[in-house]
Amino acid sequence: EDQVTQSPEALRLQEGESSSLNCSYTVSGLRGLFWYRQDPGKGPEFLFTLYSAGEEKEKERLKATLTKKESFLHITAPKPEDSATYLCAVQADAGGTSYGKLTFGQGTILTVHP
Amino acid sequence: DAGVTQSPTHLIKTRGQHVTLRCSPISGHKSVSWYQQVLGQGPQFIFQYYEKEERGRGNFPDRFSARQFPNYSSELNVNALLLGDSALYLCASSPPGVGEQFFGPGTRLTVL
Repeated sequence: EDQVTQSPEALRLQEGESSSLNCSYTVSGLRGLFWYRQDPGKGPEFLFTLYSAGEEKEKERLKATLTKKESFLHITAPKPEDSATYLCAVQADAGGTSYGKLTFGQGTILTVHP
Repeated sequence: DAGVTQSPTHLIKTRGQHVTLRCSPISGHKSVSWYQQVLGQGPQFIFQYYEKEERGRGNFPDRFSARQFPNYSSELNVNALLLGDSALYLCASSPPGVGEQFFGPGTRLTVL
C-alpha cells in the first residue's frame, strides 16, 4: 500500500527565515510525486511534479527536490503570503497509459509571521 | 481559462439523506477524480473516471457512487448519509497523457 508521511505537522517561521518541509514515501513504482498548496477552505493548488530521483523544480521562493525515499520543499526567504498547508502526494505506476490515484500525506501547516 | 468547477459550494444534510455533488472539468480534460478531505487530513481518493469508465475506486463503502457524462462532467452520489461523511469533497481533472491533477474549490458537506 502506498504511504506518504509529511513532517513537521506545523511550522512557524519569521519572514525571511528559510526552512524545508519533508515528504517521505513508499510506493510500488513511482510515477510522479506532486506538491500542492492549500489555503483554508479551498481546493489544493498544483505546484510541482517530480518524476525521478535527483530532479529539482523551482517556482519563486519554492524549490522541490526528490530522492528515492523522500522529497523536500525548500522555502527561501518566506513571506506571510506563503502561509498555507503544503501537501505532498505520490502516484504509482499503474501500467499502460493509465494515470491513477494520488495518495496524499496529511500536510504541513506553514505560518509565516511578519 | 476556467478551472475545475464544483457545485454546490456548501451543503447541509441530515443523517440518512442522499446527496449529489457535481463537477465540471477543465476544457479538454477527460479524466475526473473525486477525493474526500476531512479536517486536518490530506485528501483521500474515492473514484477516478476516464472516458466515462471507472478506472479506480478507493476504500469507501458502496453508499458512494459516481458517474461521468459524455461531456466529461461528473457526479458523486452518497446515500444514507452518516455524520462521518461530513467533509470537503474535491474534484480534480487531468489532461490526457499527464499525471498532474487540477483541483476544484470543493463542496463542503455537513451532515447533522
